[in-house]
Amino acid sequence: KAGVTQTPRYLIKTRGQQVTLSCSPISGHRSVSWYQQTPGQGLQFLFEYFSETQRNKGNFPGRFSGRQFSNSRSEMNVSTLELGDSALYLCASSLGTGGPYEQYFGPGTRLTVT
Amino acid sequence: KNEVEQSPQNLTAQEGEFITINCSYSVGISALHWLQQHPGGGIVSLFMLSSGKKKHGRLIATINIQEKHSSLHITASHPRDSAVYICAVEGNDMRFGAGTRLTVKP
Repeated sequence: KAGVTQTPRYLIKTRGQQVTLSCSPISGHRSVSWYQQTPGQGLQFLFEYFSETQRNKGNFPGRFSGRQFSNSRSEMNVSTLELGDSALYLCASSLGTGGPYEQYFGPGTRLTVT
Repeated sequence: KNEVEQSPQNLTAQEGEFITINCSYSVGISALHWLQQHPGGGIVSLFMLSSGKKKHGRLIATINIQEKHSSLHITASHPRDSAVYICAVEGNDMRFGAGTRLTVKP
């Protein structure tokens, strides 16, 4: 079974631009969660989607948004990029929500904002 | 105070040594996860625990719900175990420890 895939793997953007990252979960998994990892803050929860509905949101500004499609693929968008948004963005998929369910992580998208 | 505390932050061991990484948390949880992250960023889920103890190969994870504490043990450590080990607690969302950087020398 194919693992979680994320595209693109690397991205360089300038301040003020917006960016969209994509995550394809493991086949049959209906929950996708997004995380931000930085050297200073470590791993932080962004949001979780299940059946096209946002189930939970972390403590991030409204510039961070996401959505999930009917095939469970998910995208996250960051508008008006700031230097501090430079990070590794990871998504993870699991069978369901309200778990606990084991999470399977993608390889991440490394975003650099200049 | 962080809701998830890991210790130690860094750990260097000789090949073959027994290793313990600790995780304490202060929030209510439905499960605790141990994750492994190698250089380059990829994260692998090692264990998901709600109670008791789990074993997979040379890795053992335990959790004490009453004391809000979990430990990850690696028996007969090997250089390929070198990685960052992260404790994560699952409640309404996922909260992460800062990670323990393990280096195993041959």
